[in-house]
Amino acid sequence: NAGVTQTPKFRVLKTGQSMTLLCAQDMNHEYMYWYRQDPGMGLRLIHYSVGEGTTAKGEVPDGYNVSRLKKQNFLLGLESAAPSQTSVYFCASSYSSIAKNIQYFGAGTRLSVL
Amino acid sequence: AQKVTQAQTEISVVEKEDVTLDCVYETRDTTYYLFWYKQPPSGELVFLIRRNSFDEQNEISGRYSWNFQKSTSSFNFTITASQVVDSAVYFCALSELNSGYSTLTFGKGTMLLVSP
Repeated sequence: NAGVTQTPKFRVLKTGQSMTLLCAQDMNHEYMYWYRQDPGMGLRLIHYSVGEGTTAKGEVPDGYNVSRLKKQNFLLGLESAAPSQTSVYFCASSYSSIAKNIQYFGAGTRLSVL
Repeated sequence: AQKVTQAQTEISVVEKEDVTLDCVYETRDTTYYLFWYKQPPSGELVFLIRRNSFDEQNEISGRYSWNFQKSTSSFNFTITASQVVDSAVYFCALSELNSGYSTLTFGKGTMLLVSP
């Protein structure tokens, strides 16, 4: 009963390096989301996807790119990491986009950019 | 624009005390949903409850209860007889329609520390 799985769990990058965070869900959910969590800021939406092949910008999209090539996977990319991107990243998925649907979260990825 | 305010940054209680976590929201939507999530020290976010804007009945689940008052735009969460395992960060969230799709707006969270 995996639910939402994020890899890796931890990563340290140097400024300017690139990396991709992978999110996989096995619940056949249409909608997927990427959030970042910073101390005292709650969770803020970076990008989201309403279906395979679609992506949309959230509240804080700058410096990130995403792709949804397969329904079960949602990738978050950092092309040139900056210290301001040090954060905990959460992926979530939901059955649909209507307001009542519950979002289910992965365990998070802790990223440090030096 | 929608907004969720959790004014209490951190609350400390002793085990068996009752504690209420406050959540105030702002929205122009007439139909909306409110959520509470728990983030224990292990880091994952766990869904606790969902409430729609048309249902103002209070809800109780074991030691947890929720008080939704549309007149004051509040959705408060009470833990009765708190336990050490209740120590976590609790987030209130509001669903939002954004270009036809709903997204969640989270409050900044309230850290609850329950000491033995």
